[in-house]
Amino acid sequence: DAGVIQSPRHEVTEMGQEVTLRCKPISGHDYLFWYRQTMMRGLELLIYFNNNVPIDDSGMPEDRFSAKMPNASFSTLKIQPSEPRDSAVYFCASSRQSNYGYTFGSGTRLTVV
Amino acid sequence: AQKVTQAQTEISVVEKEDVTLDCVYETRDTTYYLFWYKQPPSGELVFLIRRNSFDEQNEISGRYSWNFQKSTSSFNFTITASQVVDSAVYFCALSEVSGGGADGLTFGKGTHLIIQP
Repeated sequence: DAGVIQSPRHEVTEMGQEVTLRCKPISGHDYLFWYRQTMMRGLELLIYFNNNVPIDDSGMPEDRFSAKMPNASFSTLKIQPSEPRDSAVYFCASSRQSNYGYTFGSGTRLTVV
Repeated sequence: AQKVTQAQTEISVVEKEDVTLDCVYETRDTTYYLFWYKQPPSGELVFLIRRNSFDEQNEISGRYSWNFQKSTSSFNFTITASQVVDSAVYFCALSEVSGGGADGLTFGKGTHLIIQP
């Protein structure tokens, strides 16, 4: 099992540009989560999906953030337009039913300059 | 709403000492799950343990042990005979159950553990 795969590992972009983060969950996991980690706010849940359907997006900070899961093996988190305060590490995690356990990807370190 | 508090921001001990990381949680649910994750300097989040709210048995895994007490809403983590490789940020997290399915994790702010040689 390759684990949860995130790309890119690092992203540096200029303010105003569109940024797309990608995630491939573990095969067979029904849930996919996007988290953001910053020094000020710690680890925050942004959105999660169950069977490709968004369940709770109350953690998405602004309309500039959007997430999709077109199929069971792929999800994207998009920021458009990006701002310096979006700089953070973004983690994707997947899980089976019933809080079995959450496996995290290695994260994408986003820097917006 | 759920909340996880890790009051210890940073702990520094000398190698081979025992160290306990505290975690206190708040939830209105009777069914929930508690977790500990380790984040080493490389940045990944490593799963350590998952415990459901109906299982108050303490657990031991090698040098690691966990003490779950519902009466005090605490889920503390002890490392015995600490080693330099244990240096990391440790997160306690809570997941409530909504509609019988998995829910997102609510994390504490983390405890930065420094093991000095």
